[in-house]
Amino acid sequence: EAGVAQSPRYKIIEKRQSVAFWCNPISGHATLYWYQQILGQGPKLLIQFQNNGVVDDSQLPKDRFSAERLKGVDSTLKIQPAKLEDSAVYLCASSLGGWEQFFGPGTRLTVL
Amino acid sequence: QKEVEQNSGPLSVPEGAIASLNCTYSDRGSQSFFWYRQYSGKSPELIMSIYSNGDKEDGRFTAQLNKASQYVSLLIRDSQPSDSATYLCAVGGGGTSYGKLTFGQGTILTVHP
Repeated sequence: EAGVAQSPRYKIIEKRQSVAFWCNPISGHATLYWYQQILGQGPKLLIQFQNNGVVDDSQLPKDRFSAERLKGVDSTLKIQPAKLEDSAVYLCASSLGGWEQFFGPGTRLTVL
Repeated sequence: QKEVEQNSGPLSVPEGAIASLNCTYSDRGSQSFFWYRQYSGKSPELIMSIYSNGDKEDGRFTAQLNKASQYVSLLIRDSQPSDSATYLCAVGGGGTSYGKLTFGQGTILTVHP
């Protein structure tokens, strides 16, 4: 069974630029999560989708971050404009609908 | 503010010893508890889940849960250098937080030969 796929794996941009990340969950997994992990910290949930509906986006900085999950499968997370403090690893995870979440390899973002 | 706190590290143990990792949580409504292992530069990998009070064993790993004390731990027996990683405690909420995990800050474990 293929795992969670993410791209790109690395991205370097300058502040005020925009960036987008893509995630394809494990086949059949209805729930998809985006996390931000800053160096030395645990992952912080940004947004949770159930199929193509948003369940929780309370910690998503909506003035600059947006996410969508069209057709209930893959998802994109966008940052526009980026700030220095957005430098982090962005992790996508999926679950079958229970509690156990499986993570993709992540995208390491560096904002200069 | 729902919080998950892990014992501060880094934790260093000799090969073959027992490593003990601890975690406390603030939300009494929490229903599920997980331990993830994260190697440097890699993504978190689920290694243990526990849902009811008591112990759960899987190979060299034992998870312990005490909901009354709001405490969950992970014991690693016969520690190996390959166990060196950051261990993340994650707690799943109840009610409207169903399916949402809150992670601790992680504990770095080093197993030295």
